Amino acid sequence: AQSVAQPEDQVNVAEGNPLTVKCTYSVSGNPYLFWYVQYPNRGLQFLLKYITGDNLVKGSYGFEAEFNKSQTSFHLKKPSALVSDSALYFCAVRDRQDYKLSFGAGTTVTVRA
Amino acid sequence: DGGITQSPKYLFRKEGQNVTLSCEQNLNHDAMYWYRQDPGQGLRLIYYSQIVNDFQKGDIAEGYSVSREKKESFPLTVTSAQKNPTAFYLCASSIVTGANTGELFFGEGSRLTVL
Repeated sequence: AQSVAQPEDQVNVAEGNPLTVKCTYSVSGNPYLFWYVQYPNRGLQFLLKYITGDNLVKGSYGFEAEFNKSQTSFHLKKPSALVSDSALYFCAVRDRQDYKLSFGAGTTVTVRA
Repeated sequence: DGGITQSPKYLFRKEGQNVTLSCEQNLNHDAMYWYRQDPGQGLRLIYYSQIVNDFQKGDIAEGYSVSREKKESFPLTVTSAQKNPTAFYLCASSIVTGANTGELFFGEGSRLTVL
């Protein structure tokens, strides 16, 4: 079975400060890892993914994530947050042998001006 | 523009009624998915289909049914057997390759409220 944990329901940061959203995962084999963002009453938008190779993955809107196999983590980061980054963020994992994508419960990010 | 279209965006239903949510994609993706979103629970997989005329149950399929008669379309029926159908429903699609590395593309969602 595969699962994702996002330990923080909410993250609050000031604009211009670094933003980190935490994610840990559990899969039986090697994982494919994804981050998505959702604005109110909208669908999910893809931010970035880790498949293989470099542990630091760069994605859309200045976001990046670092894959850490020993800690089974895939934290999302942004060096300087914007008010427009306020949204709901989801981490997701897929085992390489499966088509099903499992999502975490989501983390609400609020960036204050 | 290529994308996924879900309709209706908002839907109200009386208890005991079946309702069908539409999902159409023009991305030429082979795989399609239905997820249910409830506050604080993330997304849970209802059904998915990797190819036309074939689909598999996800984690919470009870009370739902789907069909995949065309590559572009994957409608979801919420039946009267679904005990708590009020939720936000998301349709998604992805390419299917041997490595299966593709991300999911999502529609804008359909919010179902049972009165």
